[in-house]
Amino acid sequence: QSALTQPASVSGSPGQSITISCTGTSSDIGGYNYVSWYQQHPGKAPKLMIYDVTKRPSGVSNRFSGSKSGNMASLTISGLQTEDEADYYCSSYATPSHVFGGGTTLTVL
Amino acid sequence: EVQLVESGGGLVKPGGSLRLSCVASGFIFDKAWMSWVRQAPGKGLEWVGRVKSDTDGGTTDYAAPVKGRFIISRDDSRNTLYLQMNSLRTDDTAVYYCTTDMKDRAVATAFDHWGQGTPVTVSS
Repeated sequence: QSALTQPASVSGSPGQSITISCTGTSSDIGGYNYVSWYQQHPGKAPKLMIYDVTKRPSGVSNRFSGSKSGNMASLTISGLQTEDEADYYCSSYATPSHVFGGGTTLTVL
Repeated sequence: EVQLVESGGGLVKPGGSLRLSCVASGFIFDKAWMSWVRQAPGKGLEWVGRVKSDTDGGTTDYAAPVKGRFIISRDDSRNTLYLQMNSLRTDDTAVYYCTTDMKDRAVATAFDHWGQGTPVTVSS
């Protein structure tokens, strides 16, 4: 199973909005509504931010939102804050396995 | 509070074996589906495999790179998940995380809780 494709890096200023794309195929993103997004700060474990394409776990800020169209999913972060600076990974169910994206480093300038 | 604590990582020679453990607390372990996810140094995340709860069949699934070499098991009496790694290769070097799986009917959809990870280095 090939990894999902994410941009290597994105950047934005505090208060701005950014979007991270995640491109897959009809065998993963396009075939299921089971896309999830994870935030990882350096040296820390990943944290679930979005699941089932658009849902936020309890405790995750509503500044984080997800969407999907065809074989591409997106994570949007609005009102950027300095603590949002981290690596972000998308993932999709791809029966019976899971596939991750290569990760995107978000820099808050 | 959900806690997942991995242990058992270390340095092993190519071709060797290692067993990782993950002790769980704060949730009903015997009903949970559990996965292992790894991260090579400076690289992205890679799903390794999963074990379902015994009530859902207790079956396992593995990623292609580890199938036939790694075995995932669970001991519900000890709230513990295991990863037996055999025939280790240098490209198995990574931090190994155990996770709980979110479920939607018969499908695992996301990884909602993560341990702190245990590092495995395969080198001669």
